[in-house]
Amino acid sequence: DIQMTQFPTSLSASVGDRVTIACRASQSIGNYLNWYQQKPGKAPKLLIYVVSSLQRGVPSRFSGSGSGTDFTLTISSLQPEDFATYFCQQSYNIPYTFGQGTSLGIK
Amino acid sequence: QLQLQESGPGLVKPSETLSLTCTVSGGSISSTNYYWGWIRQPPGKGLEWIGSIYYTGSPFYNPSLKSRVTISVDTSENQFSLKLSSVTAADTAVYFCARLNDFWSGYRWFDPWGQGTLVTVSS
Repeated sequence: DIQMTQFPTSLSASVGDRVTIACRASQSIGNYLNWYQQKPGKAPKLLIYVVSSLQRGVPSRFSGSGSGTDFTLTISSLQPEDFATYFCQQSYNIPYTFGQGTSLGIK
Repeated sequence: QLQLQESGPGLVKPSETLSLTCTVSGGSISSTNYYWGWIRQPPGKGLEWIGSIYYTGSPFYNPSLKSRVTISVDTSENQFSLKLSSVTAADTAVYFCARLNDFWSGYRWFDPWGQGTLVTVSS
């Protein structure tokens, strides 16, 4: 199985901050990488697919980059509604696997 | 707007079979470019893909669960289902159903998701 490792696992930030979350795959996955946001008690919500394509309705302050084994999710200016847990997910190989999540909290 | 809704028992006894159904509304389960799948999340933990299926059948599963999982589709009811046999406490989780989008020769992502349903395995 391809292991997806996110770092940091948690971070605290303030409204208006620029935040970057990293995701590393245990082998090259090309650009088969997606990002999700999950709030407590809710289902994950797709933010970005195929590394950098923004899902319809997702604010442009979210962006993704990377290729191969190293990927990043960036939030350019944190808003109050962005405090949540973020997961990366690879679709290069079965089984599809997710990172362990990065919990983004308020400083 | 496509919506998915999980249904099924919230409590299952150890060694028995967990059965859930996902009802799709606002669109057809028989659409091309889309698979349908199940993902679970133990309380306070991460996400685990269980398996997926196309509307014509031919499911594919996570090898770690393959011996215990069956996913099926009912196009007449616009539903797909999950059965997980011989459950233990380790199978306690929130179970989500989701559409697996498939474009551009194999790029796939989960969207949208159902709200999820908590299944507890306990006697």
